Amino acid sequence: QQPVQSPQAVILREGEDAVINCSSSKALYSVHWYRQKHGEAPIFLMILLKGGEQKGHDKISASFNEKKQQSSLYLTASQLSYSGTYFCGTVLLQAAGNKLTFGGGTRVLVKP
Amino acid sequence: DGGITQSPKYLFRKEGQNVTLSCEQNLNHDAMYWYRQDPGQGLRLIYYSQIVNDFQKGDIAEGYSVSREKKESFPLTVTSAQKNPTAFYLCASRSGTMNQPQHFGDGTRLSIL
Repeated sequence: QQPVQSPQAVILREGEDAVINCSSSKALYSVHWYRQKHGEAPIFLMILLKGGEQKGHDKISASFNEKKQQSSLYLTASQLSYSGTYFCGTVLLQAAGNKLTFGGGTRVLVKP
Repeated sequence: DGGITQSPKYLFRKEGQNVTLSCEQNLNHDAMYWYRQDPGQGLRLIYYSQIVNDFQKGDIAEGYSVSREKKESFPLTVTSAQKNPTAFYLCASRSGTMNQPQHFGDGTRLSIL
């Protein structure tokens, strides 16, 4: 079951903040976040393993709400380099086969 | 440097032809994955392998085949049964458990002539 990401796209001015959400209809074991520039390979950002866990990478952080089966990615004081498409990948609590299922992506454009 | 190498970067297929996409990794990772990405879309899992000589179908395996004869290599064949093969194909690998990140190659863009 593919996770649902929202919004589908967001345009920011440099220095502004944004939140990207990733929701699942099933209980989650973990959530992975990646960023992809056009035509390039996705780059790993972070993994959240436990409910309520928050992690950060520079000014990009994320939280995992186990009860709501949702994760949120926070872009704080956005930089031009944050532009790209952000994907969440989920591993189900009752997953078989160790596979990651990716959401449809959120396109982020940061303007000067 | 360690990494994942996909080749070729661009590939063209004629109608009715099978083509094979190469994926090689020197990270000593056990698990390897193939994903398909259509324009403006997310990544969809085609096949994955957790150990040599074993692999499982992903969500969109029809029209594709794989082999895993060596730990370092996980080639993907796009057969003529795949009617709409035009897409960006990404190979990934992972060490240890699902608590570890997947590392991606630079992708192969496949087009129909």
